[in-house]
Amino acid sequence: GAGVSQSPSNKVTEKGKDVELRCDPISGHTALYWYRQSLGQGLEFLIYFQGNSAPDKSGLPSDRFSAERTGGSVSTLTIQRTQQEDSAVYLCASSPRGLSEAFFGQGTRLTVV
Amino acid sequence: AQSVTQLDSHVSVSEGTPVLLRCNYSSSYSPSLFWYVQHPNKGLQLLLKYTSAATLVKGINGFEAEFKKSETSFHLTKPSAHMSDAAEYFCVVSDNDSWGKFQFGAGTQVVVTP
Repeated sequence: GAGVSQSPSNKVTEKGKDVELRCDPISGHTALYWYRQSLGQGLEFLIYFQGNSAPDKSGLPSDRFSAERTGGSVSTLTIQRTQQEDSAVYLCASSPRGLSEAFFGQGTRLTVV
Repeated sequence: AQSVTQLDSHVSVSEGTPVLLRCNYSSSYSPSLFWYVQHPNKGLQLLLKYTSAATLVKGINGFEAEFKKSETSFHLTKPSAHMSDAAEYFCVVSDNDSWGKFQFGAGTQVVVTP
């Protein structure tokens, strides 16, 4: 079956614009995660969904960041008024239940100019 | 609370020699532990996982890791390095206290020389 799919694969945006990043998890996976990977920063946890609810939003860097998940499937990460420090690779992962291994997508490389 | 410390940011090995990547963790509950590998410009791939079964875990590509509760360690080893093992490796912990959140270590960059 298909793996975790993320779109777009690359996004260049102007500072101050809003962007939406999409994640299609593996079918049937109830848990979904967003991470950010910046050069020299490792992987930074952003948010975790179990079904459509997000029990842990502690990693969202500011109120410019939000995420939703609908139908227990597709998730969208929205960044409003993008800043240059938002440039990074945004990774999505899903797992069949919270403590199973996570399967990662290829990521969306966001560049804010 | 959970955390992961990868003790080496860079490891350089010669092809054919053993590889050791060190990882220590902190977890309030019985943890699940994972090693992921990321090749340049590629996604993250699961190498192996420990989820409270056998303490010696075998993974793909000849890698294995041993869970040692007394030392809170989960070191990754391979008897003989191959050029294709050059990549970044991440140790990851998850436990019941964190709603399944995966906490990543900072990563270890592995260089393999001929």
